[in-house]
Amino acid sequence: GEDVEQSLFLSVREGDSSVINCTYTDSSSTYLYWYKQEPGAGLQLLTYIFSNMDMKQDQRLTVLLNKKDKHLSLRIADTQTGDSAIYFCAETYPRDYKLSFGAGTTVTVRA
Amino acid sequence: KAGVTQTPRYLIKTRGQQVTLSCSPISGHRSVSWYQQTPGQGLQFLFEYFSETQRNKGNFPGRFSGRQFSNSRSEMNVSTLELGDSALYLCASSSNRGEILETQYFGPGTRLLVL
Repeated sequence: GEDVEQSLFLSVREGDSSVINCTYTDSSSTYLYWYKQEPGAGLQLLTYIFSNMDMKQDQRLTVLLNKKDKHLSLRIADTQTGDSAIYFCAETYPRDYKLSFGAGTTVTVRA
Repeated sequence: KAGVTQTPRYLIKTRGQQVTLSCSPISGHRSVSWYQQTPGQGLQFLFEYFSETQRNKGNFPGRFSGRQFSNSRSEMNVSTLELGDSALYLCASSSNRGEILETQYFGPGTRLLVL
């Protein structure tokens, strides 16, 4: 569970949808998370998905999980300037007691 | 409920000194984890405690240590500071009860600058 990969940058126009992608390598992953970090702040939990689910929707956020390809995505609908931040995906698996993070995707929302 | 709190928020130390950072978890949470965040290495796991027992430790030198108290509050200590220890140190807590680490909630972090 050490190789979580994310694209580093995403630029999106205000009002459009953003899609942030992540791949993970550990097939025994149980929970997969998305966190948001704004400048100078800690990590804010956005949403998570259990590994036996394919999709989870929470207001403007939609998480899709493709276990076959070990691919996780976060879609943000109607992206706003307040969504500009770094987004991290993370995984954990039984008895590991830690989160393994990707490098983070910096999302820039332009007017 | 109050969130995870960390003190101090900012610290400036010089090489060779030691530092202690403190973390108070969300009330009722018994698992506390520590992470180091740097621009070069990203988010790296330091250690995790549950009911005063360390259950996992990351790949950091022995200069990094931690402990958890009976009230679930946790401290981490870094001795003989090096320039490369400059980072944001994040604490997270969860209500973990079993083998799976449940959702972790993070504090605002302590920003350490080593000169």
